[in-house]
Amino acid sequence: DTGVSQDPRHKITKRGQNVTFRCDPISEHNRLYWYRQTLGQGPEFLTYFQNEAQLEKSRLLSDRFSAERPKGSFSTLEIQRTEQGDSAMYLCASSPRGLAGGNEQFFGPGTRLTVL
Amino acid sequence: KNEVEQSPQNLTAQEGEFITINCSYSVGISALHWLQQHPGGGIVSLFMLSSGKKKHGRLIATINIQEKHSSLHITASHPRDSAVYICAVRLRGGSNYKLTFGKGTLLTVNP
Repeated sequence: DTGVSQDPRHKITKRGQNVTFRCDPISEHNRLYWYRQTLGQGPEFLTYFQNEAQLEKSRLLSDRFSAERPKGSFSTLEIQRTEQGDSAMYLCASSPRGLAGGNEQFFGPGTRLTVL
Repeated sequence: KNEVEQSPQNLTAQEGEFITINCSYSVGISALHWLQQHPGGGIVSLFMLSSGKKKHGRLIATINIQEKHSSLHITASHPRDSAVYICAVRLRGGSNYKLTFGKGTLLTVNP
């Protein structure tokens, strides 16, 4: 499978614990995005990487959240001291080097986080 | 007010019916995407368009830039079309390519 993969697919944790999610984009894609989706809502942008550089972070990304893409390939999203409000589907997407108007984004299956 | 509004929120149809889902946006965009999300979360890109009309199989997407409006049509709908359909836009300008999403339209097609 050469699509975007995410690991784990499901994570249940207790409030206050730290969690880390991984995203492996399509190999030739230099752009990587993290989105968060809560029940009944559309996804919301969290952060964006071009190669290893984190170019934009949403105000949704509090100081408990950190994302990295150290070698410009896979990315990790860490949430420290999880809260019940962090329960959501965390989606990763990637896209190739861009046209002026941008390119299609390819989404992973998501990681569903439940904070008890 | 959300930058991207979809209607209807929920839609139930009988197999074979022609379906239309609408998307309106309030900002300048460089592109609009239609996405499909099945239960369990996986999102598939259906169309990306910046003008005119695109067709793929039984799916047709149109956009009117002046009116800031797009429609997704499904002809001869089938139960396997049941999913959430999401409209997303890429804002014009800036150096990023993030998407801004609508809340989605839940489509149920009954046999």
